[in-house]
Amino acid sequence: QVQLVESGGGVVQPGRSLRLSCVASEFTFNNYGMHWVRQAPGKGLEWVAVIWHDGSDKYYADSVKGRFSISRDNSKNTLYLQMNSLRAEDTAVYYCAKCLSQRGSYYYGMDVWGQGTTVTVSS
Amino acid sequence: QSALTQPASVSGSPGQSITISCTGTSSDVGKYNLVSWYQQNPGKAPKLVIYEVSKRPSGVSNRFSGSKSGNTASLTISGLQAEDEADYYCCSYAGSDTLVFGGGTKLTVL
Repeated sequence: QVQLVESGGGVVQPGRSLRLSCVASEFTFNNYGMHWVRQAPGKGLEWVAVIWHDGSDKYYADSVKGRFSISRDNSKNTLYLQMNSLRAEDTAVYYCAKCLSQRGSYYYGMDVWGQGTTVTVSS
Repeated sequence: QSALTQPASVSGSPGQSITISCTGTSSDVGKYNLVSWYQQNPGKAPKLVIYEVSKRPSGVSNRFSGSKSGNTASLTISGLQAEDEADYYCCSYAGSDTLVFGGGTKLTVL
């Protein structure tokens, strides 16, 4: 079935970097925009970033702009989140999520979510 | 990118209807018909239950409905069931290619 599987989380010191991956299966990955959404322990959901279906445009929440970078490799059906200069407040479960509608419709909703990968920033 | 405002908690008895509000501004909820709602059970990923204010994805019960008036969107669950107990989040397009979520509402079925 349609599935997203994240990996790459772990414990990292403040100021260090981490790269998350999200492998997609059972849908035409290059037809859909993709989002990263995070959830700090005991807190609500926070939108992090979006990338268009062809990777041509990327947008970020102010809280991560300049530190995080979203990318994708459509030949590998894989989405990435490069996280640099990590801070304690970046500690969260990170979810990748698929856009509901194809190409050019990035904000209608997110209909498929991964199980999440946990990032802990601590010295 | 200020979070949308939701009540921290709502409750209802089985069979009743409840409504969760989601208040934004004229720059997000009030300006775009791009409000979605997500249900999240403890330790699980969110699940889309409403998109584009009032549309239901296939497979979502017709007991879930959405609406919007001005800067406030609402999710209504009718015929409340024990399985509806979960956290619910609204989300809106906020312009400039960004999204904003609400703080979340914990629904308790009494």
